[in-house]
Amino acid sequence: DAKTTQPTSMDCAEGRAANLPCNHSTISGNEYVYWYRQIHSQGPQYIIHGLKNNETNEMASLIITEDRKSSTLILPHATLRDTAVYYCIVRAINKFYFGSGTKLNVKP
Amino acid sequence: DGGITQSPKYLFRKEGQNVTLSCEQNLNHDAMYWYRQDPGQGLRLIYYSQIVNDFQKGDIAEGYSVSREKKESFPLTVTSAQKNPTAFYLCASSIVFIGANQETQYFGPGTRLLVL
Repeated sequence: DAKTTQPTSMDCAEGRAANLPCNHSTISGNEYVYWYRQIHSQGPQYIIHGLKNNETNEMASLIITEDRKSSTLILPHATLRDTAVYYCIVRAINKFYFGSGTKLNVKP
Repeated sequence: DGGITQSPKYLFRKEGQNVTLSCEQNLNHDAMYWYRQDPGQGLRLIYYSQIVNDFQKGDIAEGYSVSREKKESFPLTVTSAQKNPTAFYLCASSIVFIGANQETQYFGPGTRLLVL
C-alpha cells in the first residue's frame, strides 16, 4: 500500500530543471508528503517535505496542489550527481509508505 | 561527526544460520527503524522502536528479531526462519515518534546480505 504513484523513469538534460510528479489522491488531511532520493546502493537521502504550502530549501522546491492530491519536486538546475531514484512518500503516523520511485537520468 | 552507522557493509549468511546487523546512531534520536529493500523495489518496514526496551512489528517482521537495550543501538537479527533473506537492509532514525507524523527519518548507508 504505497499510497503514491510516480513515473518509472524520466530523463533530464544537465543544467535544466527536473520536474518529478507524484500522485497521492488518497492522502489524508494530516499526512505529509516527503521526498527522498537514493543513489545506487546507498541509504536514502532526505530532500524536502510539506503539508499544504509550497516549500523550498537549498536542494529543491516542492509544489503541492491545492487539493493535495498531487505534488511536484523541482530540482532547479540538475547535475549529473542528481541521477538517482526519487521517492515520493506519504507520511502517516508510525509509518512511511515507500513506492518504487522515479529513476531520474540526468544526461550531459 | 554525527550520523547513523551500519555494519558490516556486506554480510554473508549460510543456510540455517542467524546473523545480526548492527545499527548505531549518535543523533540522540528517540525512534529507530529497520527496512528491507529488494532489487528495483521501494523500502518495506521490518521493525521500529519508539523508546528503549520497546519495539513494534512492521509490515514484514516474520523471520526477523530486534532489541533496543540502548537508545543509540538497534540491532537486527535475521533468523533461519527468514527463507529469502538476500536483500539490502537499511536502518533509520528520527527525533520524535509518538502521535506525530512529520518527523524526518535519516538513513544509514545500508548492509547488503547475501546467502551462500
